Amino acid sequence: SQTIHQWPATLVQPVGSPLSLECTVEGTSNPNLYWYRQAAGRGLQLLFYSVGIGQISSEVPQNLSASRPQDRQFILSSKKLLLSDSGFYLCAWNKAGGMDEQYFGPGTRLTVT
Amino acid sequence: SQQGEEDPQALSIQEGENATMNCSYKTSINNLQWYRQNSGRGLVHLILIRSNEREKHSGRLRVTLDTSKKSSSLLITASRAADTASYFCATPLGGLNFGKGTSLLVTP
Repeated sequence: SQTIHQWPATLVQPVGSPLSLECTVEGTSNPNLYWYRQAAGRGLQLLFYSVGIGQISSEVPQNLSASRPQDRQFILSSKKLLLSDSGFYLCAWNKAGGMDEQYFGPGTRLTVT
Repeated sequence: SQQGEEDPQALSIQEGENATMNCSYKTSINNLQWYRQNSGRGLVHLILIRSNEREKHSGRLRVTLDTSKKSSSLLITASRAADTASYFCATPLGGLNFGKGTSLLVTP
């Protein structure tokens, strides 16, 4: 069966510090991978998605970037965090083709102080 | 921009009652999906209904889709306290476009 991992689970970082969140998927190959952010009490906002190694599509211009160095690894980064980067970050995957249901990781709660 | 908008934003019912949540969307869709999120957790896929389907069932869940009105509804029958969660509709466009969700509280 497939599983998706995210770490860390929680993170408190000062403004201006760098960020690296990691997501890995097991039990499948060539998945589509997604990063979402959820602000408090809000819906999810798509940040990035990837259909293959090195292929990243950005949905929202911002202080963040994403990379996919391996087939089942997706990384969200920032060089300098802003207060507005606080939120709940969720990684998800689905099968190539991209239209069907997505499977979400447990999320990372990021607080920028 | 958000594609789906759920209504109501919050819903409080007693165990055993039915809960109905509605979703409206803006553009043509391939399918519409419903997800559930327990507080502070990741999302769990509940049900997917394709654009050529009008109704779909899964256990105590019933989803309808009206493409002419660009709307969908999620019905949870015989609700339980464990159904307390936020429920989101989402449509695929690149990734998923989510609404802001309906927060459901089921009290014993």
